[in-house]
Amino acid sequence: GNSVTQMEGPVTLSEEAFLTINCTYTATGYPSLFWYVQYPGEGLQLLLKATKADDKGSNKGFEATYRKETTSFHLEKGSVQVSDSAVYFCALNPIQGAQKLVFGQGTRLTINP
Amino acid sequence: NAGVTQTPKFQVLKTGQSMTLQCAQDMNHNSMYWYRQDPGMGLRLIYYSASEGTTDKGEVPNGYNVSRLNKREFSLRLESAAPSQTSVYFCASSAGGWGQGAWGTDTQYFGPGTRLTVL
Repeated sequence: GNSVTQMEGPVTLSEEAFLTINCTYTATGYPSLFWYVQYPGEGLQLLLKATKADDKGSNKGFEATYRKETTSFHLEKGSVQVSDSAVYFCALNPIQGAQKLVFGQGTRLTINP
Repeated sequence: NAGVTQTPKFQVLKTGQSMTLQCAQDMNHNSMYWYRQDPGMGLRLIYYSASEGTTDKGEVPNGYNVSRLNKREFSLRLESAAPSQTSVYFCASSAGGWGQGAWGTDTQYFGPGTRLTVL
């Protein structure tokens, strides 16, 4: 079946540190891949996405590259800020003709000043 | 432009009670979704509606019913609440839907959530 596995949290970093949150997936066919972010007390919002192999999604200094050979979509940011503290969810949609997102368990990130 | 709104924000029920969670979107989106979020498990899809008048089961539909009242509104009903339904419930919407071409890459827009406790 389809599944998403994220690195265990919580992750705590200092401001300006480099961030990587690992995400690997299992899916048949060619899924689309997403990173959603949930700030405290809010619903999820899309951070970035990639729709085919080797695509790079980017937004707000975050990047992730769709790697089909390693079935991965790791999230990276070169210099994190306190305002990046949130829960990050990796997700896939296994079918192009519909939307049935499968989410990972989420990774809580805390940035200390 | 409020986006996706949900009511209520918090609710406490006793086992066996019923209630309806309301969701509305003002973005003229074709598709709407209900998820539940449990600690350590991410979000799981309960039901979705890919066009007005249609609904489909997601990953965890048991114990729930839904109604797509019109294009704007999508409600989730618990007929006989159980403690296992204690969770945070999120509604979402996206632009595409059945008959709208390829919409698998659409962005979903989420409401702020309803925290439900069943005693």
